[in-house]
Amino acid sequence: QVQLVQSGPEVKTPGASVKVSCKASGYTFTSYDINWVRQATGQGLEWMGWMSPNSGNTVYAQNFQGRVTMTRDTSISTAYMELSSLRSEDTAVYYCSRGKFTSGWSPFDNWGQGTLVTVSS
Amino acid sequence: DIQMTQSPSTLSASVGDRVTITCRASQSISNWLAWYQQKPGKAPKLLIYKASSLESGVPSRFSGSGSATEFSLTISSLQPDDFATYYCQQYNSYPWTFGQGTKVEIK
Repeated sequence: QVQLVQSGPEVKTPGASVKVSCKASGYTFTSYDINWVRQATGQGLEWMGWMSPNSGNTVYAQNFQGRVTMTRDTSISTAYMELSSLRSEDTAVYYCSRGKFTSGWSPFDNWGQGTLVTVSS
Repeated sequence: DIQMTQSPSTLSASVGDRVTITCRASQSISNWLAWYQQKPGKAPKLLIYKASSLESGVPSRFSGSGSATEFSLTISSLQPDDFATYYCQQYNSYPWTFGQGTKVEIK
C-alpha cells in the first residue's frame, strides 16, 4: 500500500533551517508529484509548494519564495523540504502529500503523518 | 491568488442529520475542487475530487456538487465518525489554496 513516512519532530531556534524528509513506498516514486502543506496549531491548511520527483521541477508558494527548497533523492524514494530563516510563525505541522494522478491537475490522495517543527528561542 | 471561502465555520448537528457545507471560489476554477476530512492530530483525508468524484473507499453518504465558483459537500446521514473538520481546496491554478475549514460538531 502507498505510504509516506516523514522524519521526526524538530526544535529549532529563530534564524535556523530545518529539513524534513518524506520517504515513499508502495508505488513508483517518480510517477506522482509531491506537495508540501503546513498547518499551525489550531489553524487551517497552507500549501507550500509542488515538486515533480521525476524532473525535480518545483513550484513554490509566494509566501515561501526564497526560503523554501524542495528536493528529492530518487535512489531512496525520498522527498525533502528545507525551510530557512525560521521564525516563530513557522511553528507548525508540515505534511508531504502525493498527487492522485500521474499527469494533469491532482488533489492529494495520500499524506505523510506530519512533522512538528517548533521554532523557539 | 484564488480565495476559497467556506461556510459555515462551525456546524452543530446530530447523528442522522443531512448536512451541507458550502465553498465559494473568488474566481472560476471549473471543477478542480477537492474536499478533505481532518480529525485532530491526523493528516487530512481526501473525500471528493473534481468537485463530485468520490474517492475510493469513502462512504457513499458523502457527495459533492458544483462548478465554477460555487461548490458544496453534503453528508446525507451524519455518522459518529463524521465529526471532524472539512476543507475544500482548489487545484485549478497555483498557488493551490484551501478554505478556512468547517468544523462539524455534535449537537
